[in-house]
Amino acid sequence: DAGVIQSPRHEVTEMGQEVTLRCKPISGHNSLFWYRQTMMRGLELLIYFNNNVPIDDSGMPEDRFSAKMPNASFSTLKIQPSEPRDSAVYFCASSFLGSGSIGYNEQFFGPGTRLTVL
Amino acid sequence: SQELEQSPQSLIVQEGKNLTINCTSSKTLYGLYWYKQKYGEGLIFLMMLQKGGEEKSHEKITAKLDEKKQQSSLHITASQPSHAGIYLCGAVFTMDSNYQLIWGAGTKLIIKP
Repeated sequence: DAGVIQSPRHEVTEMGQEVTLRCKPISGHNSLFWYRQTMMRGLELLIYFNNNVPIDDSGMPEDRFSAKMPNASFSTLKIQPSEPRDSAVYFCASSFLGSGSIGYNEQFFGPGTRLTVL
Repeated sequence: SQELEQSPQSLIVQEGKNLTINCTSSKTLYGLYWYKQKYGEGLIFLMMLQKGGEEKSHEKITAKLDEKKQQSSLHITASQPSHAGIYLCGAVFTMDSNYQLIWGAGTKLIIKP
């Protein structure tokens, strides 16, 4: 298995532009997590999906952030409009979880997308 | 997060020496993860602990969860350069019928040859 795939690996954009990050989870996994990592705030859970349904989006910082999972093999995290403070590494992780649990099993992380907003 | 404290923030250890990283919660944990991250890469799963008093080992890394399920320690024996990286603990809490996952700030481990 190729593992969790994220694209792009690096993104540099200007303030105000729309940014779309993509994730392909491991085949057979039913849960997907989006994280943001910065030096100041560490690793933060933004949102997670179970069976393509958003379960908890309380970590999404603002309405500028949105995430979708149209099918079991693809998810996007969109920032519109982007701001310099959104600069961070964004990770996607997938897992196979029993119903109603979070983090009960091992999460497999993608390599991350390093986003720089100028 | 004040609910989860990870220490130390950074650690420089002579190759071959032992070391311990701690993760302490102000509340009882449902479970706790240990992950390792190399710079510029994603996180790699090490271990998950769920039962009070549980201890797991993988090669030279041992993790324990105390009986009260509020503190976990990660111990590396005879450290090697390959152990260098950032170690993160992730704590799972239960809130009503939901679960909450919070990550520690990480411990940066440097191994001196």
